[in-house]
Amino acid sequence: AQSVAQPEDQVNVAEGNPLTVKCTYSVSGNPYLFWYVQYPNRGLQFLLKYITGDNLVKGSYGFEAEFNKSQTSFHLKKPSALVSDSALYFCAVSSLSGGYNKLIFGAGTRLAVHP
Amino acid sequence: SAVISQKPSRDICQRGTSLTIQCQVDSQVTMMFWYRQQPGQSLTLIATANQGSEATYESGFVIDKFPISRPNLTFSTLTVSNMSPEDSSIYLCSVAELAGPGELFFGEGSRLTVL
Repeated sequence: AQSVAQPEDQVNVAEGNPLTVKCTYSVSGNPYLFWYVQYPNRGLQFLLKYITGDNLVKGSYGFEAEFNKSQTSFHLKKPSALVSDSALYFCAVSSLSGGYNKLIFGAGTRLAVHP
Repeated sequence: SAVISQKPSRDICQRGTSLTIQCQVDSQVTMMFWYRQQPGQSLTLIATANQGSEATYESGFVIDKFPISRPNLTFSTLTVSNMSPEDSSIYLCSVAELAGPGELFFGEGSRLTVL
């Protein structure tokens, strides 16, 4: 069975500092990995994905994530946080065996960026 | 990316009633899915909406409670039947534009409150 773990309920960071939101996964076969952001009372917005190729993927709003197969991780990063980055972040995974469009979501991590 | 419109955006419903949520996409898409986000929780896949045939439900979800239609490649409905307060959630329509592994795009969601 596929699963995603986001070990931190909340991450606090000061504006201008680098941020990391952690994600680990478990799938059979090759994983397809995604990050989404949800602002209050809004749907989910796609940030970035890893399907194949370079382990470091870049996405929207200056975010990037690194796929680490040995650690089964896909942590979201940004070099310099903005207050406007404060939101709920979800990691998601799919796989060929599980249905490559059927995304399984983690519990979410609330990012709070303080001025 | 596809533009996804959901109606209603929010509603307050009485226990025992049913409500149908509509999802309209501005372009033909290969896959459509319905997710549920309970208060303070992550997203859970309810079912895959199949064009011209019965939806494929995930474990814990049944057609009698969540009937789904998908008459064409741009439109789907989800009905929440015989509602109880436990059905109070955000219901999200999502679509996959490509026939291979890739991200889903989400509507803004329909926030249902059952009294």
